[in-house]
Amino acid sequence: DAGITQSPRHKVTETGTPVTLRCHQTENHRYMYWYRQDPGHGLRLIHYSYGVKDTDKGEVSDGYSVSRSKTEDFLLTLESATSSQTSVYFCAISGYGGLGDEQFFGPGTRLTVL
Amino acid sequence: AQSVTQLDSHVSVSEGTPVLLRCNYSSSYSPSLFWYVQHPNKGLQLLLKYTSAATLVKGINGFEAEFKKSETSFHLTKPSAHMSDAAEYFCVVSDMSPGNKLTFGGGTRVLVKP
Repeated sequence: DAGITQSPRHKVTETGTPVTLRCHQTENHRYMYWYRQDPGHGLRLIHYSYGVKDTDKGEVSDGYSVSRSKTEDFLLTLESATSSQTSVYFCAISGYGGLGDEQFFGPGTRLTVL
Repeated sequence: AQSVTQLDSHVSVSEGTPVLLRCNYSSSYSPSLFWYVQHPNKGLQLLLKYTSAATLVKGINGFEAEFKKSETSFHLTKPSAHMSDAAEYFCVVSDMSPGNKLTFGGGTRVLVKP
């Protein structure tokens, strides 16, 4: 298995509070991604990073921000959590981000916003 | 823009019988296509990928998929289902967009009956 960990694995929080999820990799891969998984939608891309301090938006980026200060860590922040952000969040990594480059996924973080 | 449609949200098969999971895609470019599997409360694991080489792609655990450009399809098959195949399966397309962004289908949940 690719060396990807996510923390926390489970979190329950209240509407309006800030939340930060962490993804840590030991593969020295350049590209890192954050997805959310909701029933019937598969996974949808929130943000991705193509290097330290280099990030870009995905399909569902509203309400989320990211940071990458080191190759191995990619943080996802919900500045003010809402109930619509209740979801399972997955981090993924890939080596060169080119066509056909597979992505490796972490174990996921289940977030519940009350 | 790219998109993926998985034609069945649920498939039920008996152990030892064939499995067919249907996937149609839309892409402006020659895409790469993937099938991922997700077992309950787990992350995603790559089953197989197509990257413009052979149109019949063999993956892990006896799965294979055939790329048919004329039909824009990438159906997943297995000759004989095993109880351990019970999981959710995602068809995924990647085009030449920066960052190798993936677009997921909605998923097909497979139930295997003894």
